[in-house]
Amino acid sequence: QVQLVQSGAEVKKPGVSVKVSCKASGDTFSDHYMHWVRQAPAQGLEWMGRINPKSGDTIHAHRFQGRVTMTRDTSISTAYMELGSLRSDDTAVYYCAREGGYDKVAFDLWGQGTMVTVSS
Amino acid sequence: DIQMTQSPSSLSASVGDRVSITCQASQDISNYLNWYQQKPGKAPKLLIYDASNLETGVPSRFSGSGSGTDFTFTISSLRPEDIATYYCQQYDVVPPRVTFGPGTKVDIK
Repeated sequence: QVQLVQSGAEVKKPGVSVKVSCKASGDTFSDHYMHWVRQAPAQGLEWMGRINPKSGDTIHAHRFQGRVTMTRDTSISTAYMELGSLRSDDTAVYYCAREGGYDKVAFDLWGQGTMVTVSS
Repeated sequence: DIQMTQSPSSLSASVGDRVSITCQASQDISNYLNWYQQKPGKAPKLLIYDASNLETGVPSRFSGSGSGTDFTFTISSLRPEDIATYYCQQYDVVPPRVTFGPGTKVDIK
């Protein structure tokens, strides 16, 4: 069964960074772009960016430029999202989401989400 | 960046009702429009991609239509398990940019 399994909840202080992992199983990891989407409490969905697992190339949303780093380790089929200089308004659930492919430009598989709480 | 609007922001309907949600893009996005369902405490789930294609395994009471800037998502006969928030999403391929609509919360009357 194809699934994305994310790392557990994190509590961080303002100013530090957090790194969330997303492990793919049951599928060819490198064949699909991996996106990151976040959702603040009681808010909508916000796209953060994507990584091409094959090349490592990344694209980030403008508002996260300079603060977010997306990487991957193909040997263990895992993608990572690191967000730095955390602020209280970064408190959110962070999701990884797989893009279906050239014939399905949509997010057809999602991780379970990782709650990141930023609090002093 | 492309902006997405959805209406209504919430609706309440009876079981068996036909429910429609509209999504409008600030510029022409062809058919690069997807619809997701999100239940409380869960990850979103893809229902419709490329404006009108039903994702595998999704019940046929869900449908989508439209192109360009105006899109519609419809539940032909509302069921209790359809209580959720529905989001439209545009995907700009060059350069890659993704924007979600603000969501529509659907409740049972």
